[in-house]
Amino acid sequence: EADIYQTPRYLVIGTGKKITLECSQTMGHDKMYWYQQDPGMELHLIHYSYGVNSTEKGDLSSESTVSRIRTEHFPLTLESARPSHTSQYLCASSETSGSAQYFGPGTRLTVL
Amino acid sequence: DQQVKQNSPSLSVQEGRISILNCDYTNSMFDYFLWYKKYPAEGPTFLISISSIKDKNEDGRFTVFLNKSAKHLSLHIVPSQPGDSAVYFCAATLSGSARQLTFGSGTQLTVLP
Repeated sequence: EADIYQTPRYLVIGTGKKITLECSQTMGHDKMYWYQQDPGMELHLIHYSYGVNSTEKGDLSSESTVSRIRTEHFPLTLESARPSHTSQYLCASSETSGSAQYFGPGTRLTVL
Repeated sequence: DQQVKQNSPSLSVQEGRISILNCDYTNSMFDYFLWYKKYPAEGPTFLISISSIKDKNEDGRFTVFLNKSAKHLSLHIVPSQPGDSAVYFCAATLSGSARQLTFGSGTQLTVLP
């Protein structure tokens, strides 16, 4: 069973606020990912990491930033939230040599 | 351009019958395919996968079929149970170390008791 955690699960915040979405995994996976999903749509990769101090942007352009200082931790930050950032954000991880990604429960972000 | 397509946004099936979920892809370089199940307000859960060197993979009630010439894969669930009601996503990945996944838009399966 995958052990990957995301906090908060739900967040409602005003425009212009800085927010950090937390993601942690206890499986020792090197690779971690952030996806964005709107209702009824596919998941879009916005950031990924191969390991500590490695981060790359995904297919979907995002104003968010990520960091990977520790293997188990991959936080996502929005410096100034806007209503267009309202979405569900899903974090995932996988073993270096594997292909199956294991997802956290997601954070549903609403920016008013 | 959507490289992975799930053309049926919803499917209803009677309990005990077979559910067949379909997925088409356009990129012939994809070499690994996965199915995920997602309940509302939860993250996707990995179900089953298949490598492009195979045409079938079975795990309990779940079987995935791959037709490379048609660039088509399907997930069969038999017998279907009410607890299977969820959104099902297919995903595909390219060879290489990144192993990034490209997802379809999902199919909402409803299993009627």
